[in-house]
Amino acid sequence: NAGVTQTPKFRILKIGQSMTLQCTQDMNHNYMYWYRQDPGMGLKLIYYSVGAGITDKGEVPNGYNVSRSTTEDFPLRLELAAPSQTSVYFCASSRPGTVPSGNTIYFGEGSWLTVV
Amino acid sequence: AQSVAQPEDQVNVAEGNPLTVKCTYSVSGNPYLFWYVQYPNRGLQFLLKYITGDNLVKGSYGFEAEFNKSQTSFHLKKPSALVSDSALYFCAVRDVLPPDTGFQKLVFGTGTRLLVSP
Repeated sequence: NAGVTQTPKFRILKIGQSMTLQCTQDMNHNYMYWYRQDPGMGLKLIYYSVGAGITDKGEVPNGYNVSRSTTEDFPLRLELAAPSQTSVYFCASSRPGTVPSGNTIYFGEGSWLTVV
Repeated sequence: AQSVAQPEDQVNVAEGNPLTVKCTYSVSGNPYLFWYVQYPNRGLQFLLKYITGDNLVKGSYGFEAEFNKSQTSFHLKKPSALVSDSALYFCAVRDVLPPDTGFQKLVFGTGTRLLVSP
């Protein structure tokens, strides 16, 4: 019963390095999301996708890129890591719904990233 | 824009006592409200949601939430707290990105840390 799986769970990056956070879901959900969590700030949406080949920016997209080549996978790329990107990153997914939709969004376990 | 507020950074309660974690919302249209829990070093787990219907919503682990339209609140409650309930709790509201296609995203509160003492 995997659900949403993220890797790696912990990573330390040096300033200027690049990396990709992997996310995959096995629930056949069309909608996928990347959030970041900062202390006292709740979760902020970075990017989202409504289906394979379709992505769009959320509230805080600067410094990140995404792709969605398959329904299952939604990787998040940091091109030039900066200390401000030290955060906990959560991938999530949900299934489409009728309008309006109240479908539950399911989250992965999180990826703790530190940029030094 | 849709938003939720969690006025308490931390709530302390003794085991066996009832607990309440507060959430108020501001929305245009009908509110779709959610509660999630985050245990240390873990992801967010869905607890319950209010879409329509009864104002008292029952969820996982014995939690329930009361939707109050006149007070624009959606407080999380449990009749008898357990030490294992100690965690970070997030209230969230659905936000629909235009055009309205059925897609949704969640707007989260800042979280409330619940500490249950033995």
